[in-house]
Amino acid sequence: AAGVIQSPRHLIKEKRETATLKCYPIPRHDTVYWYQQGPGQDPQFLISFYEKMQSDKGSIPDRFSAQQFSDYHSELNMSSLELGDSALYFCASRLTGAFTYEQYFGPGTRLTVT
Amino acid sequence: AQKITQTQPGMFVQEKEAVTLDCTYDTSDPSYGLFWYKQPSSGEMIFLIYQGSYDQQNATEGRYSLNFQKARKSANLVISASQLGDSAMYFCATPNFGNEKLTFGTGTRLTIIP
Repeated sequence: AAGVIQSPRHLIKEKRETATLKCYPIPRHDTVYWYQQGPGQDPQFLISFYEKMQSDKGSIPDRFSAQQFSDYHSELNMSSLELGDSALYFCASRLTGAFTYEQYFGPGTRLTVT
Repeated sequence: AQKITQTQPGMFVQEKEAVTLDCTYDTSDPSYGLFWYKQPSSGEMIFLIYQGSYDQQNATEGRYSLNFQKARKSANLVISASQLGDSAMYFCATPNFGNEKLTFGTGTRLTIIP
């Protein structure tokens, strides 16, 4: 079965650079979530999209922006990177209205800012 | 707002023994669910088991079962006959009513000893 795809899997950037993380949800899933997991931390919700519209926003810095495109893939854009942005970034997708609440997680993108 | 509490930062268990990982929750939603995820050192977030608040029976998935006690607001994960491959971080999580973004606990690091 198709899973959530994230690219790249690893990314190394320097401070003040920009980064773009991509997420391809499971086909027909209409909701995408982004989470950030710092070292030794639990995942924290950043932002979500439902049918290409932003549906909720968590503790996402103003330096970050995201969108969902017509093919349902989503991109998380991060500018003016800081050392503290080093983390594992997960994308998860879900089919709204399905019997289960389950979100399917991608493998994550490990971002290292030096 | 939802809150998940995992009081065991780390656990060491002998191989082949059963292990119980604690999770308590606090939610005002009349209908809710509890997830357990496994995160090995490679980083991916692996879905293990889900319990809905209206499910009549405790959820089971192979060696994983959930000891769901609604009155105590606890949803403990039980792993039977532990294996070396069970060594990982384990997170309990619950979806927020509305857009179902997940709130995670702080996790329990489980180490299985040969």
